[in-house]
Amino acid sequence: GAVVSQHPSWVICKSGTSVKIECRSLDFQATTMFWYRQFPKQSLMLMATSNEGSKATYEQGVEKDKFLINHASLTLSTLTVTSAHPEDSSFYICSAPGLAVTDTQYFGPGTRLTVL
Amino acid sequence: GQQLNQSPQSMFIQEGEDVSMNCTSSSIFNTWLWYKQDPGEGPVLLIALYKAGELTSNGRLTAQFGITRKDSFLNISASIPSDVGIYFCAGPWAGNMLTFGGGTRLMVKP
Repeated sequence: GAVVSQHPSWVICKSGTSVKIECRSLDFQATTMFWYRQFPKQSLMLMATSNEGSKATYEQGVEKDKFLINHASLTLSTLTVTSAHPEDSSFYICSAPGLAVTDTQYFGPGTRLTVL
Repeated sequence: GQQLNQSPQSMFIQEGEDVSMNCTSSSIFNTWLWYKQDPGEGPVLLIALYKAGELTSNGRLTAQFGITRKDSFLNISASIPSDVGIYFCAGPWAGNMLTFGGGTRLMVKP
């Protein structure tokens, strides 16, 4: 089945630094990937749609200059949290649309970001 | 996006009991998906439903696509401790994006 990986699985950083999270589709190509944010005990909140070869599409209320997305290839999308602050601490999850199973998405294992 | 109302929000059951959770929507969906999320992990697809009235099983899990196409339920039979986690319903909208229910947190007492 389709496998999506994320790196790192967790990261702790100081306030004001930037953090890059990678999302890779391991055995398939993905022209589109999605980035979600999840707070404790809450559902997934779509942040943006990453498009290979073009600009990402951000959901309302998500700062594009804060959360930089680059879809460098058909198997890699990156999310960079710039000038991170404690309120950016969250669980970030990426996903890619499934090919064999219609209308589904396959999720990465998530990245836990803690900003001190 | 479209709102999916999922209930219950949480369940605390005894091992061996059956579990039922459901999702409703004010809009029609052509696909219903059920995911499970273990603590600290990403969601994993359990069952995908594509046809109104469809009943699909995956081991001890059974899900149905409502006739009205505005609801779906997920049943877990004979629960075991590893069933613990958060279960989400989801449906596609605006292309290949997904909208999620609020999740059902399942806790199983051995």
